[in-house]
Amino acid sequence: AQTVTQSQPEMSVQEAETVTLSCTYDTSESNYYLFWYKQPPSRQMILVIRQEAYKQQNATENRFSVNFQKAAKSFSLKISDSQLGDTAMYFCAFMKPQGAQKLVFGQGTRLTINP
Amino acid sequence: GAVVSQHPSRVICKSGTSVKIECRSLDFQATTMFWYRQFPKKSLMLMATSNEGSKATYEQGVEKDKFLINHASLTLSTLTVTSAHPEDSSFYICSASGSRESSYNEQFFGPGTRLTVL
Repeated sequence: AQTVTQSQPEMSVQEAETVTLSCTYDTSESNYYLFWYKQPPSRQMILVIRQEAYKQQNATENRFSVNFQKAAKSFSLKISDSQLGDTAMYFCAFMKPQGAQKLVFGQGTRLTINP
Repeated sequence: GAVVSQHPSRVICKSGTSVKIECRSLDFQATTMFWYRQFPKKSLMLMATSNEGSKATYEQGVEKDKFLINHASLTLSTLTVTSAHPEDSSFYICSASGSRESSYNEQFFGPGTRLTVL
């Protein structure tokens, strides 16, 4: 079974700083998807970024980028020029493309952006 | 992105009663819907996966007789918590995904339902 581990329960940075959230996973699959989701205080889950395992190029979405290290099974999220609205819980998630396509979530990292 | 709604957003019920939570895909046909439970400051725990017109597949440890899931149409799935007890109090989240056009199908999440059992 796949597992996803986020080793940073909480992080806090100043506005405009860059912050990196860590995620490691364990799988024997060669093809899969990795995600970062944001859950703000409203509790609505929002997809931040997606990475396909067979793509070597790291995904980027505006201020958000990932460092995907397949051999190390590492998938970190970098937030540049952090904003107050980035304050949220961030969940790393894994999905196999076969079958039901269930998401396996990490424990989450609570990120606070301070003014 | 696609929109998924949940109703109600909050519900308070007495111990022993049943509560139904609805999950609707508003602008797409959801062939698969997922139900999650989230405890305070914790991650999402998948409870079950349902496909339209089929019986739901429950995760290990989830009581299927307690958490009844129905996915009768391509836009609606319901979760009924039967004979609710205080330990069932939690935040319940649904997600929906449509027909596969590629190898990956994005899950769109509802806003969640906070259940409090007194």
